Amino acid sequence: GENVEQHPSTLSVQEGDSAVIKCTYSDSASNYFPWYKQELGKRPQLIIDIRSNVGEKKDQRIAVTLNKTAKHFSLHITETQPEDSAVYFCAAGVGYSSASKIIFGSGTRLSIRP
Amino acid sequence: DVKVTQSSRYLVKRTGEKVFLECVQDMDHENMFWYRQDPGLGLRLIYFSYDVKMKEKGDIPEGYSVSREKKERFSLILESASTNQTSMYLCASTSAEGIHEQYFGPGTRLTVT
Repeated sequence: GENVEQHPSTLSVQEGDSAVIKCTYSDSASNYFPWYKQELGKRPQLIIDIRSNVGEKKDQRIAVTLNKTAKHFSLHITETQPEDSAVYFCAAGVGYSSASKIIFGSGTRLSIRP
Repeated sequence: DVKVTQSSRYLVKRTGEKVFLECVQDMDHENMFWYRQDPGLGLRLIYFSYDVKMKEKGDIPEGYSVSREKKERFSLILESASTNQTSMYLCASTSAEGIHEQYFGPGTRLTVT
């Protein structure tokens, strides 16, 4: 079945530096790739998503890139700030029916050092 | 603003007990999901439902069942709780139109002793 691998599992960066999290997926039919952020003790929330007809998408300090040929996608956070500290999950899904589901990666715990 | 609520934030049950976890959403969403979250394993799908009385197995359905009698409510049932079901359980919902954002509940931390 569909599998999503996420690396690294933990990441520590200096405040102001960039952070990159990478994911690979196995189902070539996947066409939707969201990223969720989960702060400590809170619920996961969508921060950005990308669909397979787009190679890159940006939203302020966050960007996601997609390489469908290689079946991998990445989250880039620039100018990191303390509030970026959280667990980040990538996911992949196939959106062709109302019963669509997404498969999540194992998560990356990002810590921002002051 | 979408609101997904879960019946309990923390729950402690004994081995062998029947456990009910309830999830309610107020956005008239067709699709609802139950995940369990364990450190290093991410969010794993237990069951999902795309309509009232409809259900589909996810990746780890063993030991669980679900019920969806009303559109807004999706229940997860542990028929006979075991210690390996100690986990964080998250409910989510999304509309049926294509595939997009899932809205999560606050989670239920279940401990089985």
